[in-house]
Amino acid sequence: DIQMTQSPSSLSASVGDRVTITCRASQGFSNSLAWYQQKPGKAPKLLFYGASRLESGVPSRFSGSGSGTDYTLTISSLQPEDFATYYCQSFYSTPTFGQGTKVEIK
Amino acid sequence: EVQLVESGGGLVQPGGSLRLSCAASGFTINNYWMHWVRQAPGKGLVWVSRIKSDGSVTDYADSVKGRFTISRDNPKNTLYLQMNSLRVEDTAVYYCARGVGGYSVFDYWGQGALVTVSS
Repeated sequence: DIQMTQSPSSLSASVGDRVTITCRASQGFSNSLAWYQQKPGKAPKLLFYGASRLESGVPSRFSGSGSGTDYTLTISSLQPEDFATYYCQSFYSTPTFGQGTKVEIK
Repeated sequence: EVQLVESGGGLVQPGGSLRLSCAASGFTINNYWMHWVRQAPGKGLVWVSRIKSDGSVTDYADSVKGRFTISRDNPKNTLYLQMNSLRVEDTAVYYCARGVGGYSVFDYWGQGALVTVSS
């Protein structure tokens, strides 16, 4: 099975900062990657999949890129509502999540 | 409005059984793969199981294979997860989720059902 490794596991940032989260797969695949946002006590929310296909209603400050084994989620200008935990997920074969990245207020 | 509502969670002793239900509204589940994903307290997301739109194909994580059974009742628009031989490590919030376009990407999630396995 593919293993997904996210980094960092947590980060502190300020409103307006540019934030980048990385997800590395143990083996390469073609854009079979999704990103989710989860706030405490809530279900995850799909941000985009296919590495960069933004879901309806997701702000354009969120973007994704990558291919092969390395993928990134970028928030261009962090907003107060973006403080949450973010997960990558491979859907190449058995669905596999990364361990999550908690974005906290600095 | 698409909604998924889980029920059936609770406290069960190790070795016991529980059945979760997920009632869908706002769409018909017979057009979609459906999934269960769980999250242990303070931990990350773990995919548990999936079932094809017509119920003909099922798949499980190794950690639950042989103990959990996913099923669906399309006329009732409901998804199920039968959990047997429960272990302490199965303690988690269980989410049902809808698959996007045949992919194991989850665009709608329920609010979750807490399953606690403890003596």
